[in-house]
Amino acid sequence: KQEVTQIPAALSVPEGENLVLNCSFTDSAIYNLQWFRQDPGKGLTSLLLIQSSQREQTSGRLNASLDKSSGRSTLYIAASQPGDSATYLCAVRGQAGTALIFGKGTTLSVSS
Amino acid sequence: EAQVTQNPRYLITVTGKKLTVTCSQNMNHEYMSWYRQDPGLGLRQIYYSMNVEVTDKGDVPEGYKVSRKEKRNFPLILESPSPNQTSLYFCASSPDRVGYGYTFGSGTRLTVV
Repeated sequence: KQEVTQIPAALSVPEGENLVLNCSFTDSAIYNLQWFRQDPGKGLTSLLLIQSSQREQTSGRLNASLDKSSGRSTLYIAASQPGDSATYLCAVRGQAGTALIFGKGTTLSVSS
Repeated sequence: EAQVTQNPRYLITVTGKKLTVTCSQNMNHEYMSWYRQDPGLGLRQIYYSMNVEVTDKGDVPEGYKVSRKEKRNFPLILESPSPNQTSLYFCASSPDRVGYGYTFGSGTRLTVV
């Protein structure tokens, strides 16, 4: 059964720092991997979608990489800002079905 | 605007009183799913639908029902809610092409007392 783990569970950094969030998954048979942002009590906003055949995707200050064979993805945030404070969720879509399997998230706090 | 719309956003109800949470998408997506999010447990799939009249159980289906009579709508039904169904619920949709990701609704916070 697919399991997704995100490390660290929480992270506090000063504004301007570059940072990396980690996501690992146990079954490499995936269609794609999606990174989401969730503000407290709010919905999920899709940040980046990486297909299984891709190595990385970029959007603005965000860059996500995927190493399917090792079951790892990273989300790189450049020049962090207080507005980046949120929980970041990683989810994989397996080849066996339609479900997204989520990690438990990394809660990021960026101080000014 | 392409979106998934859930209603209501907040709901407080009593044990045993049937309720329905509605979900509608305007993107002509084939796949629709319901998830619940609980502290320490993360997001877990309740039910999903691959198309009209096709539904199946996810990881935590007990106590829930769904229907998919129209492509755009996928309501979640709690026939006899219990306090352990207090949670944050999300509806999501995706095209029937695995190269596309899921779009999520804004969530429904349900409290059963």
